[in-house]
Amino acid sequence: GAGVSQSPSNKVTEKGKDVELRCDPISGHTALYWYRQRLGQGLEFLIYFQGNSAPDKSGLPSDRFSAERTGESVSTLTIQRTQQEDSAVYLCASSSSIKKRTGELFFGEGSRLTVL
Amino acid sequence: QQQVKQSPQSLIVQKGGISIINCAYENTAFDYFPWYQQFPGKGPALLIAIRPDVSEKKEGRFTISFNKSAKQFSLHIMDSQPGDSATYFCAASITQGGSEKLVFGKGTKLTVNP
Repeated sequence: GAGVSQSPSNKVTEKGKDVELRCDPISGHTALYWYRQRLGQGLEFLIYFQGNSAPDKSGLPSDRFSAERTGESVSTLTIQRTQQEDSAVYLCASSSSIKKRTGELFFGEGSRLTVL
Repeated sequence: QQQVKQSPQSLIVQKGGISIINCAYENTAFDYFPWYQQFPGKGPALLIAIRPDVSEKKEGRFTISFNKSAKQFSLHIMDSQPGDSATYFCAASITQGGSEKLVFGKGTKLTVNP
């Protein structure tokens, strides 16, 4: 499909394990975002990539969280030593340089993480 | 303050009624105000957006009203339908130090009864 693709769609892990979440943005979209959505809560900004510029990591909640993006393609969000409070849906979004200026992001369906 | 405050948390409306969701912000650096709609198990999708120099924008049954002096904006859904049942998020766009991102409200779960 032509939308944002995320994997896995569901991940159950044990406390203390590391997890990796993947995002395939829409082809040609230079901007890529990760958001976290806890149950019944809004979307919490985590990190923003724009082309080859340095990412905005200001939303990462702790040094256990990191993300990478290769050029303008796939991104991975890594959570090390997972904690129960990390349980949430992790949403990836992408956008073009023009559309992001008017607030239009294209979201994937998310990766639901459950930490036992 | 990079917050957007949204109310109510949940809303139940009868079919054909008007649904109204309100949002407020403090940061005058916000430069665009979109609304997103999210169905269960799906990612949010853009519904409608407004610039701060416009007081109202209408698309079909959906209208955004924007009050710049009060730093408030609202979504009105006219002739609400059961298919409109979803969670709605207001958001505000901000550009800082070369980074552009959306700040979201906590969401309103709308239920439209048939």
